[in-house]
Amino acid sequence: SQTIHQWPATLVQPVGSPLSLECTVEGTSNPNLYWYRQAAGRGLQLLFYSVGIGQISSEVPQNLSASRPQDRQFILSSKKLLLSDSGFYLCAWSVPYWGGIEGSNTEAFFGQGTRLTVV
Amino acid sequence: AQSVTQLGSHVSVSEGALVLLRCNYSSSVPPYLFWYVQYPNQGLQLLLKYTSAATLVKGINGFEAEFKKSETSFHLTKPSAHMSDAAEYFCAVSDTYSSASKIIFGSGTRLSIRP
Repeated sequence: SQTIHQWPATLVQPVGSPLSLECTVEGTSNPNLYWYRQAAGRGLQLLFYSVGIGQISSEVPQNLSASRPQDRQFILSSKKLLLSDSGFYLCAWSVPYWGGIEGSNTEAFFGQGTRLTVV
Repeated sequence: AQSVTQLGSHVSVSEGALVLLRCNYSSSVPPYLFWYVQYPNQGLQLLLKYTSAATLVKGINGFEAEFKKSETSFHLTKPSAHMSDAAEYFCAVSDTYSSASKIIFGSGTRLSIRP
């Protein structure tokens, strides 16, 4: 069965420090991968998604970047954190699109999230 | 571009009462639609999904949702609320025909249950 691992669970970082959050998926190949952010009182904002190694689409201009160095590894980074980067970060994966075949491009499966507090 | 709108950021119902959480979508192609639930400080768990089969979809924990194309809606219901249903609920949409697939979420509805 497929599993998704996201770490760390909580993180407190000073303003201006770098950030690296890692997410790995097991039990599937070539998944679509996503990073979402959930700020207090707001919904889920899609930050990045990836349909393959080295293929990253950015949804929102910001202080963050993402990379996919391996098929099932997705990393969220920042060189210098801002206070506004605080939030709950969620990694997710979904079955990749296969030309309209039923079962493709369906639901996203989520990790347990990382609570980031920038102080 | 796809989008979902959840009407009501906070819904409060009495235990045993009907739960109705509203979701309207916008999509240029036939969509896949989802409802997720999130408990505090946890990831999201899939409640149910619509993938172009039956328009009335049954999910876990007694929830169901009906896809209404004419109204572009996918409202979530449960006949009788339980205290354990208190959580945040998200509606989401994905594109069935795009190779650059992504899943877009609504802003969420917090459900409170009164004893």
